[in-house]
Amino acid sequence: EDQVTQSPEALRLQEGESSSLNCSYTVSGLRGLFWYRQDPGKGPEFLFTLYSAGEEKEKERLKATLTKKESFLHITAPKPEDSATYLCAVLTAGVYNFNKFYFGSGTKLNVKP
Amino acid sequence: NAGVMQNPRHLVRRRGQEARLRCSPMKGHSHVYWYRQLPEEGLKFMVYLQKENIIDESGMPKERFSAEFPKEGPSILRIQQVVRGDSAAYFCASSDGQVNTGELFFGEGSRLTVL
Repeated sequence: EDQVTQSPEALRLQEGESSSLNCSYTVSGLRGLFWYRQDPGKGPEFLFTLYSAGEEKEKERLKATLTKKESFLHITAPKPEDSATYLCAVLTAGVYNFNKFYFGSGTKLNVKP
Repeated sequence: NAGVMQNPRHLVRRRGQEARLRCSPMKGHSHVYWYRQLPEEGLKFMVYLQKENIIDESGMPKERFSAEFPKEGPSILRIQQVVRGDSAAYFCASSDGQVNTGELFFGEGSRLTVL
């Protein structure tokens, strides 16, 4: 069964304390892996797309990497404004080859000043 | 989030009433997804639509829930005879439907409260 698991569920960091969030997946026919940021009361905001193992993408203090079984979102020297829930989603081929997305439950990041 | 418009942002209904949530996708997007999110939980897939077609409704309850995406106008998620358990945030996302790419872009959500 296709599945996406994110860990940890919650992460508290001090400002400047680097860390990583994990997204592991078991899906057949991965077409892409996406990272989103969601602030309270808001819709998810697209961050990155990764398509193949070994690929990396960077944006400010965030760096996403992908292997054949998991993806990491590395946060370097985080600031309080990085506090949010980070969601991972995988894209596979669904019925009639249409796109099918599976979302993880998210990691709630809290960065304290 | 730019471009995907959802309304209403907040909706209060009494048990037994109907709720209608609307979603206008980003310009140029013809694929719409509806997700439901309970507090402190992830996004649960409900239904995937293309213009005038339901592609995948495997995540939508068989009773009381329906969705459409007409040729003209927004996509609508309709919940009949609402119950307290329907209280949640409902998010719409759109994509250009391109296989092998297809990032989803989300709206700000509609928050349904059932009294």
